[in-house]
Amino acid sequence: EAGVAQSPRYKIIEKRQSVAFWCNPISGHATLYWYQQILGQGPKLLIQFQNNGVVDDSQLPKDRFSAERLKGVDSTLKIQPAKLEDSAVYLCASSRTTNTEAFFGQGTRLTVV
Amino acid sequence: AQSVTQLGSHVSVSEGALVLLRCNYSSSVPPYLFWYVQYPNQGLQLLLKYTSAATLVKGINGFEAEFKKSETSFHLTKPSAHMSDAAEYFCAVSVVDSGYALNFGKGTSLLVTP
Repeated sequence: EAGVAQSPRYKIIEKRQSVAFWCNPISGHATLYWYQQILGQGPKLLIQFQNNGVVDDSQLPKDRFSAERLKGVDSTLKIQPAKLEDSAVYLCASSRTTNTEAFFGQGTRLTVV
Repeated sequence: AQSVTQLGSHVSVSEGALVLLRCNYSSSVPPYLFWYVQYPNQGLQLLLKYTSAATLVKGINGFEAEFKKSETSFHLTKPSAHMSDAAEYFCAVSVVDSGYALNFGKGTSLLVTP
């Protein structure tokens, strides 16, 4: 089966600009996660969706980050405006349900200059 | 809240030597525990997971880990390192209270020398 697809793979933007990342989970996977991985650290959960509803967004900086999963399939993560400290790899993962194996995409590497 | 601590940000072993990567967890409820591997510019790949069945868990590529509740540990081992094992390894914990979302450690970079 096809894996989790993310685009773009790389993005360079100036601070205060906006950026959006896209994720297409594995077909049939109800649960979708966005993680932020800063260089040298482990991934940190930003938001978890179950179908098109939000399960947990407690660590999402809502003043600048937003995410949606319309129709419970694809998801978009947006940052507006970006800060230098947002430079990281943004990983999308999906699982069939909440307590089954999560499969990760290759990530989007964001550099804010 | 649940968390994991990975001891040693960098581990170096010789090819053919034992690999031991350490992970300790903290959780007030029964945890699920995982080891993931990440190769450069790649996403994370699941090596193995503990979900309250057998305490000794075997994974892919010859890795295994043992859940020790008394020591709150879930160390990853491989009897004989291969050059292709060089990568970043992450221990993670999930619990029902947090919707089973993965909570990762900071990672251990494994270097395998000839």
